[in-house]
Amino acid sequence: GAGVSQSPSNKVTEKGKDVELRCDPISGHTALYWYRQSLGQGLEFLIYFQGNSAPDKSGLPSDRFSAERTGGSVSTLTIQRTQQEDSAVYLCASSRGLIYGYTFGSGTRLTVV
Amino acid sequence: DQQVKQNSPSLSVQEGRISILNCDYTNSMFDYFLWYKKYPAEGPTFLISISSIKDKNEDGRFTVFLNKSAKHLSLHIVPSQPGDSAVYFCAAIGRAAGNKLTFGGGTRVLVKP
Repeated sequence: GAGVSQSPSNKVTEKGKDVELRCDPISGHTALYWYRQSLGQGLEFLIYFQGNSAPDKSGLPSDRFSAERTGGSVSTLTIQRTQQEDSAVYLCASSRGLIYGYTFGSGTRLTVV
Repeated sequence: DQQVKQNSPSLSVQEGRISILNCDYTNSMFDYFLWYKKYPAEGPTFLISISSIKDKNEDGRFTVFLNKSAKHLSLHIVPSQPGDSAVYFCAAIGRAAGNKLTFGGGTRVLVKP
């Protein structure tokens, strides 16, 4: 597609359940990033995939969070045993190179009740 | 530690006047700086960028200034329009700084007609 696609756009889940968030990057973009934005906060880096290199997981807030990128394209962010503090908008972005900036998707709004 | 800071959480300006958004950074390894604009329920969109070897970049109504010695950049919007009302994020990136965008907390701009 022309842009970065994220699904679902909204997700309400009960505390303790697992959730999976999906990102389809722009075709040909080698870099893929996950960020999250909590209410009233800036964008917090979570994880970064670049080509076939090992991902930069330095932003993942706990071991309940994991992500994978299959075939160098689609990525899934998984949150296990969700907590209320996980409620946020999760944003995916892709890029074709350092100086081109990122193209963001519209995000998944996750609400843990 | 916040490596990129936007100290003004909000800014209100009259239509037609200048909007000035400020951003400070601490990591001298950043070598590229970007501004993103975000509307509610949408992902951030790229606005303008500047390389660390320059001190000014202009694109239509938007100009970004970089003061490397002060580790400070600013975005000027002239003239401001009601459609510019959004949250603006400053971001920085550098190969030696992890190769991923680090964002400030954002400044909410309201342009009053």
